[in-house]
Amino acid sequence: AQSVTQPDIHITVSEGASLELRCNYSYGATPYLFWYVQSPGQGLQLLLKYFSGDTLVQGIKGFEAEFKRSQSSFNLRKPSVHWSDAAEYFCAVGATGGGNKLTFGTGTQLKVEL
Amino acid sequence: DTEVTQTPKHLVMGMTNKKSLKCEQHMGHRAMYWYKQKAKKPPELMFVYSYEKLSINESVPSRFSPECPNSSLLNLHLHALQPEDSALYLCASSRGTDRDLGNSPLHFGNGTRLTVT
Repeated sequence: AQSVTQPDIHITVSEGASLELRCNYSYGATPYLFWYVQSPGQGLQLLLKYFSGDTLVQGIKGFEAEFKRSQSSFNLRKPSVHWSDAAEYFCAVGATGGGNKLTFGTGTQLKVEL
Repeated sequence: DTEVTQTPKHLVMGMTNKKSLKCEQHMGHRAMYWYKQKAKKPPELMFVYSYEKLSINESVPSRFSPECPNSSLLNLHLHALQPEDSALYLCASSRGTDRDLGNSPLHFGNGTRLTVT
């Protein structure tokens, strides 16, 4: 069965600073990997996805993520954080033939200091 | 703006009430989902509908009853709920439940905040 670990429950960064959110997955084959963002009281918005090809994927809002098979990681990065990026970030893994069953990590709460 | 619309945004119901949550999408997606999210927790899958047929039920109690009247609509009927069922209920849709999940990511609505008293 697939699983996802997000080691950091909370992260605080200053506006304008760079950001990296960690995600480690466990899955036997090539996984489908996603990052979603959730603002308070809102649904989840897809930031980016990886399923094959270039291991560095670009997403919306200036985010990018790098798939590293050797480290079973899919970390999310942003060069310069804006105050509006404060939200909960979820990494998720999906299995082929799994009927679109996503397994979410426990999430990382991002706080941005002005 | 989200392309998956959920109503109502907030719902308060007693344990003896019957209520329904509604979800609608007009993206031509053929798979629709119900997720439950407790505070400070990740979403948990409840049901998956594929081409209007129930394909996955994650051992959800029978007091939750899903319905997919057509490819654009998804309902969740609620009856005799417990206070611990209070949560954010998220609907999602995707192009399909085919093998190519990477090209068919889930699109979420903003959820219905349910409180059971």
